[in-house]
Amino acid sequence: GQQLNQSPQSMFIQEGEDVSMNCTSSSIFNTWLWYKQDPGEGPVLLIALYKAGELTSNGRLTAQFGITRKDSFLNISASIPSDVGIYFCAGQFWGAQKLVFGQGTRLTINP
Amino acid sequence: NAGVTQTPKFQVLKTGQSMTLQCAQDMNHEYMSWYRQDPGMGLRLIHYSVGAGITDQGEVPNGYNVSRSTTEDFPLRLLSAAPSQTSVYFCASSFRGLSGTGELFFGEGSRLTVL
Repeated sequence: GQQLNQSPQSMFIQEGEDVSMNCTSSSIFNTWLWYKQDPGEGPVLLIALYKAGELTSNGRLTAQFGITRKDSFLNISASIPSDVGIYFCAGQFWGAQKLVFGQGTRLTINP
Repeated sequence: NAGVTQTPKFQVLKTGQSMTLQCAQDMNHEYMSWYRQDPGMGLRLIHYSVGAGITDQGEVPNGYNVSRSTTEDFPLRLLSAAPSQTSVYFCASSFRGLSGTGELFFGEGSRLTVL
């Protein structure tokens, strides 16, 4: 089936550092989304992107929809302990009633 | 407001047993879905429903059945559990399908172990 390649798979950083992760696909998506999963919880939507080239921010989070429609990245600035968790990218094809998720990036922060 | 409620949170089964994972939402969402989460695999769609009486298969439907008799409930049935079905299962809903924002509201998950 369709796959999204998300990298890195895990990150170990110091509090205060900036974080960058990305997703790539061989397929063209109409929508890119970024979710975060806290330990023991279900994923929660962080940012949704609808247009190629779109750059969207949500507080310290910034995400971009790649020009080719085949990639997206998420940046987190000045990381804090509550940023710990698993971050998932997800893509949606035009008109499809399903999302394709990446493998996830597990973020660990050393205080 | 409860949101998406999944039961049970934990379950241990023996190979060949059957069980139902329950999912209920109180947000009047038309769209509901089931995902499984496995290490290194992300979230994979099992089945989904765009409204009461309508269901469709996702990426990994084999070994699972669903039905949608009401807007609120979307149970997932394992007919004959296998060790490969050991996973964390998430139910997720959306107000009007994924044609809008693509935002899914997830439950807290059900951790299933099949021995």
